[in-house]
Amino acid sequence: DQQVKQNSPSLSVQEGRISILNCDYTNSMFDYFLWYKKYPAEGPTFLISISSIKDKNEDGRFTVFLNKSAKHLSLHIVPSQPGDSAVYFCAARGAGNMLTFGGGTRLMVKP
Amino acid sequence: IAGITQAPTSQILAAGRRMTLRCTQDMRHNAMYWYRQDLGLGLRLIHYSNTAGTTGKGEVPDGYSVSRANTDDFPLTLASAVPSQTSVYFCASSEGRTGYNEQFFGPGTRLTVL
Repeated sequence: DQQVKQNSPSLSVQEGRISILNCDYTNSMFDYFLWYKKYPAEGPTFLISISSIKDKNEDGRFTVFLNKSAKHLSLHIVPSQPGDSAVYFCAARGAGNMLTFGGGTRLMVKP
Repeated sequence: IAGITQAPTSQILAAGRRMTLRCTQDMRHNAMYWYRQDLGLGLRLIHYSNTAGTTGKGEVPDGYSVSRANTDDFPLTLASAVPSQTSVYFCASSEGRTGYNEQFFGPGTRLTVL
């Protein structure tokens, strides 16, 4: 049973609009959450993170929101750009500092 | 070299053959990891190493082995490959396994076992 789930395998958004990528988790012991971005034929690269003691972290066009009571986090990208088209993975840090990844969401930003 | 390199880029392998995937990092990171990426399942941890000389099992270790003879290298070996090991394999490293745990990933090895 996956402890970190990204229920939307794909998302299509118009350039300039907001992209919202969602992630749910089941393990209440997770204390740190990260988003990675992956282009084809490349390894994932770190995008943004949030500690469990916070509910929001912002970095330029990217904002991550954490709702601990709902065990839900989301990544907002605004405004979306065609270069944002990639697969996005959320990850959660648990016991032993291990990262557990979600299945990924493919974002397509249309010009 | 800058960051993490992996070799080969891709490989087609007959079932039953032995294969070693190579990973080298030049960031002097203590911790290294091997993941496999499968569609819909994200990245799953195979093995990890906290520091040179130590290794540990991840979520899906069966059929794989690793060694960490020095800080820079972390090879992954499939002793007798099976078709279910067809996947994209990513090596990663991080400064340590405490505190901020950003992991830096290599470009991946695409392995097909026939």
